[in-house]
Amino acid sequence: DAGVIQSPRHEVTEMGQEVTLRCKPISGHDYLFWYRQTMMRGLELLIYFNNNVPIDDSGMPEDRFSAKMPNASFSTLKIQPSEPRDSAVYFCASSKRGQETQYFGPGTRLLVL
Amino acid sequence: SQQGEEDPQALSIQEGENATMNCSYKTSINNLQWYRQNSGRGLVHLILIRSNEREKHSGRLRVTLDTSKKSSSLLITASRAADTASYFCAYSGSARQLTFGSGTQLTVLP
Repeated sequence: DAGVIQSPRHEVTEMGQEVTLRCKPISGHDYLFWYRQTMMRGLELLIYFNNNVPIDDSGMPEDRFSAKMPNASFSTLKIQPSEPRDSAVYFCASSKRGQETQYFGPGTRLLVL
Repeated sequence: SQQGEEDPQALSIQEGENATMNCSYKTSINNLQWYRQNSGRGLVHLILIRSNEREKHSGRLRVTLDTSKKSSSLLITASRAADTASYFCAYSGSARQLTFGSGTQLTVLP
């Protein structure tokens, strides 16, 4: 199995630009999670989906952030417009129904100038 | 979400020594997990302990859980240089999402 796939691995953009992060979960997994990791705030859950349906988006910091999961094998996290304080590593993780273990992707390192 | 606390924040030991990391949390939990993160990589699951368990072993890892004190510890025995990484506890209550601790940076010197 290829594991959770994220793209791009690195993104550098300027303030005000739109950023789209992509994630392909492990095949057969029912849950997908988006996290953000920073030195100041640690690892924070932004949103998670169950069977492509958003369950809890209370961690999404602002309306500038949106996430979609159009099908079981693809999800996006979009930031529009981006700001320097959005600079962080964004992780996608997936898990299977009945199992609590989460499998993490390699992350996208985002730098907003 | 209320992030768990871990201590120490950083730990440096010699190869062959044991490393102990502690985690405290604030809510009722169903289970507590430990993850490892190598620099610049994603997190990797190490071990899970359920709320009705007190101790669990996996290879060189030993995890304890004290629900009365809302705390857990991870012991790595006979450490190796390859164990150098950040270690995070993560716990879940009734919902599916995990709350992660602040992490312990472990350095094992050869």
